[in-house]
Amino acid sequence: NAGVTQTPKFQVLKTGQSMTLQCAQDMNHEYMSWYRQDPGMGLRLIHYSVGAGITDQGEVPNGYNVSRSTTEDFPLRLLSAAPSQTSVYFCASSYSFLGLAGHNEQFFGPGTRLTVL
Amino acid sequence: QQQVKQSPQSLIVQKGGISIINCAYENTAFDYFPWYQQFPGKGPALLIAIRPDVSEKKEGRFTISFNKSAKQFSLHIMDSQPGDSATYFCAASTGWGGGGNKLTFGTGTQLKVEL
Repeated sequence: NAGVTQTPKFQVLKTGQSMTLQCAQDMNHEYMSWYRQDPGMGLRLIHYSVGAGITDQGEVPNGYNVSRSTTEDFPLRLLSAAPSQTSVYFCASSYSFLGLAGHNEQFFGPGTRLTVL
Repeated sequence: QQQVKQSPQSLIVQKGGISIINCAYENTAFDYFPWYQQFPGKGPALLIAIRPDVSEKKEGRFTISFNKSAKQFSLHIMDSQPGDSATYFCAASTGWGGGGNKLTFGTGTQLKVEL
């Protein structure tokens, strides 16, 4: 299994440009989510999905869109990039039911480092 | 509003020593408390997790201590090794098992274990 994969690894955008961060998982997980990681602020939830066709907002959703057309893929779209969106973005996935270990381990991808000039 | 407060921000420990990282939460509905470990350039990975109906959980050199009345939990790393040098995040969520996926993270602790 490849686990959770993210592309690209690095990206530089100009203010106002749009782009899509890709996320895919091959573990048949129902739950997928996007976090952003900023220095001194930990990871903050942007959007999440509990299954194909179902998405919802997290803590910091403004400026981002998501869709979930398949179980495997959960792309994050930046509509009009702003310098405040400079961050490292992580995608994560997990089962939605109680796992054998008694918890829902979230598996994180390697991240996309985004710089908006 | 930060719902999970983590301290210290950074920590230097000698090899073989004990590393202690503390977290405090506000939302009494939280019922799942994982710790994640992150190495530079990598995504976070689950280290150990605890439910509030137990006061301690140990896995190898890693122990979570949980104090429900004080709304605090901590990670203890015994016999700290240079390979433990990483950033550690505490987190919390509601809905043990299904639905317990919306994690609220602490701000992270950079641990450095010196020889």
